[in-house]
Amino acid sequence: DIQMTQSPSSLSASVGDRVTITCRASQGIRNDLGWYQQKPGKAPKRLIYAASSLQSGVPSRFSGSGSGTEFTLTISSLQPEDFATYYCLQHNSYPPTFGPGTKVDIK
Amino acid sequence: EVQLVESGGGLVKPGGSLRLSCAASGFTFSSYSMNWVRQAPGKGLEWVSSISSSSSYIYYADSVKGRFTISRDNAKNSLYLQMNSLRAEDTAVYYCARDAVGAPFDYWGQGTLVTVSS
Repeated sequence: DIQMTQSPSSLSASVGDRVTITCRASQGIRNDLGWYQQKPGKAPKRLIYAASSLQSGVPSRFSGSGSGTEFTLTISSLQPEDFATYYCLQHNSYPPTFGPGTKVDIK
Repeated sequence: EVQLVESGGGLVKPGGSLRLSCAASGFTFSSYSMNWVRQAPGKGLEWVSSISSSSSYIYYADSVKGRFTISRDNAKNSLYLQMNSLRAEDTAVYYCARDAVGAPFDYWGQGTLVTVSS
């Protein structure tokens, strides 16, 4: 199975900050990676697909990059509604595997 | 608008069974593969099972293989998860999620809670 790691596991940031979350795969997954935002009590919402493509309707302050084994999600200017937990997901091979999550909270 | 609505969760004793349903609308259900993903309380996301559009291909996580069965009824626009021999560690919110070609897990339902406890 492909293992996904995320760093950091949590971070505290202020509104307006630039935030970067890293996801690493235990083996190459091309660009078969998505990023998800989850708020408490809610379903995950996809932000990015194919590593760098912005999901329709998602604000342009979210961006993704990377290929192979290292990927990043960047929020260019953190907004109050962005405080949530973020997960990466690889779907290059079965089983699909999620990263353990990065919780972004208010500084 | 794509909508996925799960149902069928509840409280069940260890060793018991439960059948989850996911009602789909707003898209041509029969053209998409579908998935179940779960999340234990306070924990991360775990993929459970996938089924192709015509049910030709089915996959399970090792943790549920032999106990859970995924199925679908394209005429009813519905996805199912039959869960048998339930264990405490199966306690979780169960989500159904759609697979878009090349970009799976694009839309998710709101989830249904399964609690396995005596």
